[in-house]
Amino acid sequence: EDQVTQSPEALRLQEGESSSLNCSYTVSGLRGLFWYRQDPGKGPEFLFTLYSAGEEKEKERLKATLTKKESFLHITAPKPEDSATYLCAVVWWAGGTSYGKLTFGQGTILTVHP
Amino acid sequence: GAVVSQHPSWVICKSGTSVKIECRSLDFQATTMFWYRQFPKQSLMLMATSNEGSKATYEQGVEKDKFLINHASLTLSTLTVTSAHPEDSSFYICSARDQALAGGTRRSIQYFGAGTRLSVL
Repeated sequence: EDQVTQSPEALRLQEGESSSLNCSYTVSGLRGLFWYRQDPGKGPEFLFTLYSAGEEKEKERLKATLTKKESFLHITAPKPEDSATYLCAVVWWAGGTSYGKLTFGQGTILTVHP
Repeated sequence: GAVVSQHPSWVICKSGTSVKIECRSLDFQATTMFWYRQFPKQSLMLMATSNEGSKATYEQGVEKDKFLINHASLTLSTLTVTSAHPEDSSFYICSARDQALAGGTRRSIQYFGAGTRLSVL
């Protein structure tokens, strides 16, 4: 059973065309939801962490929001340099043995065309 | 954000040899580091959790004798792939957990290294 599901798997946008990426989770006892950006052949780059429903974080053209079931990563007026894979991950309470482990979704591959 | 350095970024070795990968937290101390493996077009798969001064905790299905982990200091963890074979070829990524108090609550964020591409011939 998937605990973290990201959609869509791939998203193609024109430069300036705003859109949103979705991350839904089914874990209970959420301790934190994280968004990372990963470029090809590189390690993930930390973007945001959200801890409670209603929380929002912003950074340049990106805005992350959190509800009790899902998170959205909104991209406003994207540029070609925003092209990357965006990963969502959660840390949850697993009966005291979570050790802060991240459970990742499969990612959304974003391509922004000029 | 915090910086995690991973070395080497790319290594080619012959089958049967061992390869060591280093992961360093440069501007913070990390009692816990993590090692991941990533296959093409897939997400990260956690291999093991590395705790400073104690034995690593391996995920189910990961051979602890194949993937040796040492976390000798608060800023360095190493992964040694022993007797490497072509099926061990992959992209290995480490992360270090930075913990801080925020509003009276302990918060932690994992920062990742740039990854190591291992090719076993």
